[in-house]
Amino acid sequence: DTGVSQNPRHKITKRGQNVTFRCDPISEHNRLYWYRQTLGQGPEFLTYFQNEAQLEKSRLLSDRFSAERPKGSFSTLEIQRTEQGDSAMYLCASSGVGSYNLYFGPGTRLLVL
Amino acid sequence: KQEVTQIPAALSVPEGENLVLNCSFTDSAIYNLQWFRQDPGKGLTSLLLIQSSQREQTSGRLNASLDKSSGRSTLYIAASQPGDSATYLCADFSGGYNKLIFGAGTRLAVHP
Repeated sequence: DTGVSQNPRHKITKRGQNVTFRCDPISEHNRLYWYRQTLGQGPEFLTYFQNEAQLEKSRLLSDRFSAERPKGSFSTLEIQRTEQGDSAMYLCASSGVGSYNLYFGPGTRLLVL
Repeated sequence: KQEVTQIPAALSVPEGENLVLNCSFTDSAIYNLQWFRQDPGKGLTSLLLIQSSQREQTSGRLNASLDKSSGRSTLYIAASQPGDSATYLCADFSGGYNKLIFGAGTRLAVHP
């Protein structure tokens, strides 16, 4: 069990550019979550996958955001035409079948200039 | 809509003190409650999970309790150490089995 991993750990981009983040969950976990955390706040739910199916999306996830989990393993989160308001820590988490215990990755910190 | 409040927002204590962190919910229909620790610039580490049928959980110097009738949870840290310095977050699955609703956290500093 190597835990949840996320890449890159840090990303600096210019406004208007596209960025993509990757999350590798714990291998036997079928549920995968994306959260966003801004400074001084708790994480906010973005989206949730069970295996390869995206079952729920937050209203925070505008049409510039898209997430995929094509084979039910790793997931990607893409932000198109980034805005300064997208600057935040993007956290990925996973959990196993029938478990409410979420395991979080180290996060990807995004700074949009 | 569930909202989670954590009090205090920040706390600074000398090493060795016992302390209590508080978490309250606007909707007392709490499903499963989880306490996390977050070190600066890092992800979250799960500390304790209290499932809907439970009232408390203990791990080492940590004890978390849940009072559904009042919509409150407390995290008790015994004999605090400088290594306990971090932000502590509580979260509830009342947003649905597939998402956690988080508080803003309590920033704890334990000084030698």
